[in-house]
Amino acid sequence: AQSVTQLDSHVSVSEGTPVLLRCNYSSSYSPSLFWYVQHPNKGLQLLLKYTSAATLVKGINGFEAEFKKSETSFHLTKPSAHMSDAAEYFCVVANTDKLIFGTGTRLQVFP
Amino acid sequence: NAGVTQTPKFRVLKTGQSMTLLCAQDMNHEYMYWYRQDPGMGLRLIHYSVGEGTTAKGEVPDGYNVSRLKKQNFLLGLESAAPSQTSVYFCASSGGSSYNEQFFGPGTRLTVL
Repeated sequence: AQSVTQLDSHVSVSEGTPVLLRCNYSSSYSPSLFWYVQHPNKGLQLLLKYTSAATLVKGINGFEAEFKKSETSFHLTKPSAHMSDAAEYFCVVANTDKLIFGTGTRLQVFP
Repeated sequence: NAGVTQTPKFRVLKTGQSMTLLCAQDMNHEYMYWYRQDPGMGLRLIHYSVGEGTTAKGEVPDGYNVSRLKKQNFLLGLESAAPSQTSVYFCASSGGSSYNEQFFGPGTRLTVL
């Protein structure tokens, strides 16, 4: 069975400092992985997706994620946090017709 | 181009009442999904549809029914609401399988007393 584990339920950073949101996956074959973002009281929006074309994936708003098969990880990073990055982030793995969501990481950004 | 819309935005029900949530998309997408979001649990798939006239069960289908009579609409029904169904419900659509981007509606906040 495929699954994802988000290692931190909350992450706090200061504006201008790097962001790291951690995600490990479990899959019996090469997975398709996504990061979605949910701003307060909004629906979810796709940040980026990995489908085996390149291990380093660039997304919107300066985010990127690196697929590491040896570590079964797909961590999300951003060099410099902005106040508008405060949101909940979901790591997601595709499973045939369905998406399997992680439990989410809430990112707080302090001025 | 409205994307994915959900009706209503908020609803309060009493235990045992029924209701229908409506999802509409204007992107001509084949696939549509209903999720529920509960604190600390991420999104869990309730039911989904891979095309007009089709439906399939997701991870947490009990207590819910769905219909996809028109390609652009996906209805989620609660026949006899229970407090455990208090949640935020999201509809999504995609142009293909789950490997394609899913577009989400703004959500419906449902409280069952």
